[in-house]
Amino acid sequence: SQQGEEDPQALSIQEGENATMNCSYKTSINNLQWYRQNSGRGLVHLILIRSNEREKHSGRLRVTLDTSKKSSSLLITASRAADTASYFCATGPPNSGGSNYKLTFGKGTLLTVNP
Amino acid sequence: DAGVIQSPRHEVTEMGQEVTLRCKPISGHNSLFWYRQTMMRGLELLIYFNNNVPIDDSGMPEDRFSAKMPNASFSTLKIQPSEPRDSAVYFCASSLVGRETQYFGPGTRLLVL
Repeated sequence: SQQGEEDPQALSIQEGENATMNCSYKTSINNLQWYRQNSGRGLVHLILIRSNEREKHSGRLRVTLDTSKKSSSLLITASRAADTASYFCATGPPNSGGSNYKLTFGKGTLLTVNP
Repeated sequence: DAGVIQSPRHEVTEMGQEVTLRCKPISGHNSLFWYRQTMMRGLELLIYFNNNVPIDDSGMPEDRFSAKMPNASFSTLKIQPSEPRDSAVYFCASSLVGRETQYFGPGTRLLVL
């Protein structure tokens, strides 16, 4: 079953507006990541927030994490038409022995930014 | 850096045929992941390798699916025989052991008629 679940499933806004997407998950995590997927392309990593962090910024992106509520949000400020894409959250379980582990992805939020 | 390379980008085949998808990870990366993406089920992890060794194949749907990684720069995902329900986009991703970020290839869009 999917660990992360994004909300809303689809979001349509005007250029210049802010876009907020949410992600809820069910079990303990080591970190939470956000990825973007443009139509017909692979996923691209945007930002990672660790379980001991509450907020992180990268350019126009702001991510928050509330481990007590098992939720995260991704805010894109001053959106552009080029931000049109699907956005996925992915969770990684608590690390074990420093080896890689698998990510569990949600089904994504389709963001459309209208020019 | 060329990124993760997948081939073919598109594959159309008939039910019952064997399908082989190929992946070249980013040079130096020692973890490799195969995913399948469909509208109904989203992005599912099929199998992943660390240092060419399969670590977790619990996501492989059934015996018709098999994956190999004969060396650090090449992996295959084979479906034999293929069925229409295998139609999906298959992604390969790679990363460094100990690093959480995964780098995805462009995907192979498979259509089984």
